[in-house]
Amino acid sequence: GAGVSQTPSNKVTEKGKYVELRCDPISGHTALYWYRQSLGQGPEFLIYFQGTGAADDSGLPNDRFFAVRPEGSVSTLKIQRTERGDSAVYLCASSLRGSSTDTQYFGPGTRLTVL
Amino acid sequence: EDKVVQSPLSLVVHEGDTVTLNCSYEVTNFRSLLWYKQEKKAPTFLFMLTSSGIEKKSGRLSSILDKKELFSILNITATQTGDSAVYLCAVEGSSGSARQLTFGSGTQLTVLP
Repeated sequence: GAGVSQTPSNKVTEKGKYVELRCDPISGHTALYWYRQSLGQGPEFLIYFQGTGAADDSGLPNDRFFAVRPEGSVSTLKIQRTERGDSAVYLCASSLRGSSTDTQYFGPGTRLTVL
Repeated sequence: EDKVVQSPLSLVVHEGDTVTLNCSYEVTNFRSLLWYKQEKKAPTFLFMLTSSGIEKKSGRLSSILDKKELFSILNITATQTGDSAVYLCAVEGSSGSARQLTFGSGTQLTVLP
């Protein structure tokens, strides 16, 4: 596609529920990243995929958060037993190869609100 | 732990003014510094800087990196209302994975007509 797309654009859920957030990277990009952005803050790194495998998941805050990328393209971020503190904009980015000279291009994000 | 501090936190100017946004950083094994513009949701890429003292320029925007003093500036000349946005600075080091960006909190720029 022309850019990174994310669905849904907004998600409202209740505390304790399970949510899935989807990211479609730019076609041909092998590297994919998830970030979380709270109000008034910059994005915070969550996880980085190179192909199908998670190359670095050191930013995932706890074991309620999990992400997959089974075919090396679309990725899903899964949050179990959501808490009010999980409310944020979840941003996805992709880059061509994942090398340090590649630019990360961001999607429009999913705004998650946990009531 | 990598750290990025941006200043000012917010800035209000009038069209035609020139602004300078600041970014200082601490990072293990610096690889690059990036500037993004965030208007609604998606941060859009502006510049990537890897070498000290070399200015990157795109239209009215320019940026330079000082690796000795650990900072970068983003200049915008002849500002327009469309420049109103949050400007984010990020660094890539190797304290985590090679591709983990650490962002500052951003500078909220408002350009009044």
